[in-house]
Amino acid sequence: DAGVIQSPRHEVTEMGQEVTLRCKPISGHNSLFWYRQTMMRGLELLIYFNNNVPIDDSGMPEDRFSAKMPNASFSTLKIQPSEPRDSAVYFCASSLGTGNDDEQFFGPGTRLTVL
Amino acid sequence: DQQVKQNSPSLSVQEGRISILNCDYTNSMFDYFLWYKKYPAEGPTFLISISSIKDKNEDGRFTVFLNKSAKHLSLHIVPSQPGDSAVYFCAARLGFGNEKLTFGTGTRLTIIP
Repeated sequence: DAGVIQSPRHEVTEMGQEVTLRCKPISGHNSLFWYRQTMMRGLELLIYFNNNVPIDDSGMPEDRFSAKMPNASFSTLKIQPSEPRDSAVYFCASSLGTGNDDEQFFGPGTRLTVL
Repeated sequence: DQQVKQNSPSLSVQEGRISILNCDYTNSMFDYFLWYKKYPAEGPTFLISISSIKDKNEDGRFTVFLNKSAKHLSLHIVPSQPGDSAVYFCAARLGFGNEKLTFGTGTRLTIIP
């Protein structure tokens, strides 16, 4: 079975450019999570969806960040405009989403560098 | 404000000895705690968890201890093996049914052969 798929794996862009990160969750999973990993703050939850509906977006840093889940098999995280402080590894994860201590399965991450 | 703290960024342990990774939290409403393991260029993977109604959970070489009064949990790995070299993240959940996890900053464990 394929795990969580993220693309691209690496992204290098210049300040001010739009960046779009993509995620395909595990088939049959109802919850999808976007995390950001930095040295200073570790893993931070940005937003999570259940059945394609955003449940908690309190971790989204500011209006430059937006996330969508148009269907059960695809989600995007967009940063517009990007800034150097957005440089981090962004992980997507998915779970069954039943609310019963479901394990979250992580993708390999996208390493974003904003110059 | 970091609600889950891992104060040791790194730890080195001899192969065969015990590795002890520590985690502190500030929110007494956390009711479920997890440890994730992460290898370079991979996403974190679930390792072991513990509910707040327990004080110990064991799975093979891995044991997690929870001290609610001290708001402290620890992960023990015995015996440590070279394949255990990774970054370990502690995480906590706020209430049953809430899927939001709050993670610490991680501890890099290196097992010395």
